[in-house]
Amino acid sequence: DIVMTQSPDSLAVSLGERATINCKSSQSVLYSSNNKNYFAWYQHKAGQPPKLLMHWASTRESGVPDRFSGSGSGTDFTLTISSLQAEDVAVYYCQQYYSTPLTFGGGTKVDIK
Amino acid sequence: QVRLQESGPGLVKPSETLSLTCTVSDYSISSGYYWGWVRQPPGRGLEWIGSMWHGGNAFYKPSMKSRVTMSADTSKNQFSLMLSSVTAADTAVYYCARNAEETTPYGPFDFWGQGALVTVSS
Repeated sequence: DIVMTQSPDSLAVSLGERATINCKSSQSVLYSSNNKNYFAWYQHKAGQPPKLLMHWASTRESGVPDRFSGSGSGTDFTLTISSLQAEDVAVYYCQQYYSTPLTFGGGTKVDIK
Repeated sequence: QVRLQESGPGLVKPSETLSLTCTVSDYSISSGYYWGWVRQPPGRGLEWIGSMWHGGNAFYKPSMKSRVTMSADTSKNQFSLMLSSVTAADTAVYYCARNAEETTPYGPFDFWGQGALVTVSS
């Protein structure tokens, strides 16, 4: 199984400041034949289902604000919220879909400082 | 906009079988995509259980494979999860979701149900 390790477990950021979440996979999720990273980020708010934010590591889903950006390749990935808004308070999860079993990171809780 | 809704008993006794159904609206499951189940135990993270094609090809989490069966009823536009021999560790919110890749399970989940809390307790 590919193990996804997120850091930090939680962080508190002032409104308007940058939030950075990291995710490391135990093996590369870059598929060499198409040069795509089989990697996604989700936002999960209390009482709601998870929401897909980013796939292929850096492709933003339709309707996701551009303050969210994804970067990285291979085994190391980052989700950046460039200017934290109150509505961004949530738990964020990374996921690999390179191989089954599909696996998620443990989550990073983002709060307002 | 694809809509999914889980349904089933909210309380299951230990050693019995958990059974959930996901009803899909505004998209025919027989048109394509893999359809999956993800759960979240209280206070913990997300765990993939399995994904299936409407025609029956299914991929399961290996550690759960002996207890999991997924099936589809295309006439009702539904797919289902059965998890046998449940214990308290199976208490979780269970989500049904669509894999975003049309022909493989190797994709993120782009549409999700609201989730159904299933408690395993006597």
